[in-house]
Amino acid sequence: GAVVSQHPSWVICKSGTSVKIECRSLDFQATTMFWYRQFPKQSLMLMATSNEGSKATYEQGVEKDKFLINHASLTLSTLTVTSAHPEDSSFYICSARESGRGYSNQPQHFGDGTRLSIL
Amino acid sequence: GQQLNQSPQSMFIQEGEDVSMNCTSSSIFNTWLWYKQDPGEGPVLLIALYKAGELTSNGRLTAQFGITRKDSFLNISASIPSDVGIYFCAGLRAGGTSYGKLTFGQGTILTVHP
Repeated sequence: GAVVSQHPSWVICKSGTSVKIECRSLDFQATTMFWYRQFPKQSLMLMATSNEGSKATYEQGVEKDKFLINHASLTLSTLTVTSAHPEDSSFYICSARESGRGYSNQPQHFGDGTRLSIL
Repeated sequence: GQQLNQSPQSMFIQEGEDVSMNCTSSSIFNTWLWYKQDPGEGPVLLIALYKAGELTSNGRLTAQFGITRKDSFLNISASIPSDVGIYFCAGLRAGGTSYGKLTFGQGTILTVHP
């Protein structure tokens, strides 16, 4: 149980294009999903919290117009990297937390990540 | 953002040896989690701890939630080559500005020599 699917797993595109990454909870509903960025051999850095039916909340220093988040259903959140540039190249990981339980006790389950390379 | 202090940063061990890693914090957490990440993949939950003092096992893995709620450790017994990867601790708070968000340790890179 608690499977999170992330798609695509790998993207290479030209500078200036926009890239959309999907995060789906396959066997549970997730009111809240999270988007992380990870550089090689480093820990995960939280970018934003995605809330179903409302606006995402972004961490300090993360450009909301650059990283658009949509959480239109209880099983799907999307992250769109707009006008991507080489410095946006990274490993992006989403996670989801099951709905209906106390937030303080609920672990997050992670997708397999998306390797984004901007040329 | 804030991170937990996780140690050691890396370990090189022989197959069959036991491994121990820990995380400490200056503040209290309500839940401690341990994840393992393989190269090119997302973290996978190993053990979740919900109560201070709790000791939980998952196969060869054992983790404890510190009494002070400011620390946790993970032990791996009789290591095998597939234990290779990066292990992260993570904490959850019940309130404050970090409510519901995971705070991660820096990770422990484990290498197991056959």
